[in-house]
Amino acid sequence: KAGVTQTPRYLIKTRGQQVTLSCSPISGHRSVSWYQQTPGQGLQFLFEYFSETQRNKGNFPGRFSGRQFSNSRSEMNVSTLELGDSALYLCASSPWGTSNTGELFFGEGSRLTVL
Amino acid sequence: DAKTTQPPSMDCAEGRAANLPCNHSTISGNEYVYWYRQIHSQGPQYIIHGLKNNETNEMASLIITEDRKSSTLILPHATLRDTAVYYCIVSAYSGAGSYQLTFGKGTKLSVIP
Repeated sequence: KAGVTQTPRYLIKTRGQQVTLSCSPISGHRSVSWYQQTPGQGLQFLFEYFSETQRNKGNFPGRFSGRQFSNSRSEMNVSTLELGDSALYLCASSPWGTSNTGELFFGEGSRLTVL
Repeated sequence: DAKTTQPPSMDCAEGRAANLPCNHSTISGNEYVYWYRQIHSQGPQYIIHGLKNNETNEMASLIITEDRKSSTLILPHATLRDTAVYYCIVSAYSGAGSYQLTFGKGTKLSVIP
């Protein structure tokens, strides 16, 4: 069974640009969560999508957005990039969402560098 | 959300048991304790979770105190490949059937030959 696939793995952008990251969950999983990891702040929750609906959101500015498609694939977008957006962006899938009886399956991440 | 406290780092000799402690004194009755680990440059990996009973799987054992205010993750025979950052997380219900995992700083476990 294929794992969670994130693309691209590495990318470099400049301040003010926008970026779109993609995540393909494990087949049959309907929930996709996104996390940002930086050396200073650690792993921080961005948002979760379940059946194409955002049902949970972390404390990030509106420049960070996402969506989920009918096949459960998800994309996240960051507009007007800032230097502080440089981070590893991780996607995690789960069949039931981050429920008390489930676990999250993480991808390898997309490493974004903003110059 | 219940907060967790973990030591920033620990060493363990290869082949010995690694015991990683976690304090979660404000945990609620319906909150689970999850353990994940992250090996350098990889995504976090689920290890184990539990509510109040001790749990064991092929990777580790989870011991939760009777008052549920602390827990210990046990890797019975640590190998060099167990060197990683280990996160203890208490799940919080965020409404609409969703739970949000809040990762702390974790414990950097170094397994020494």
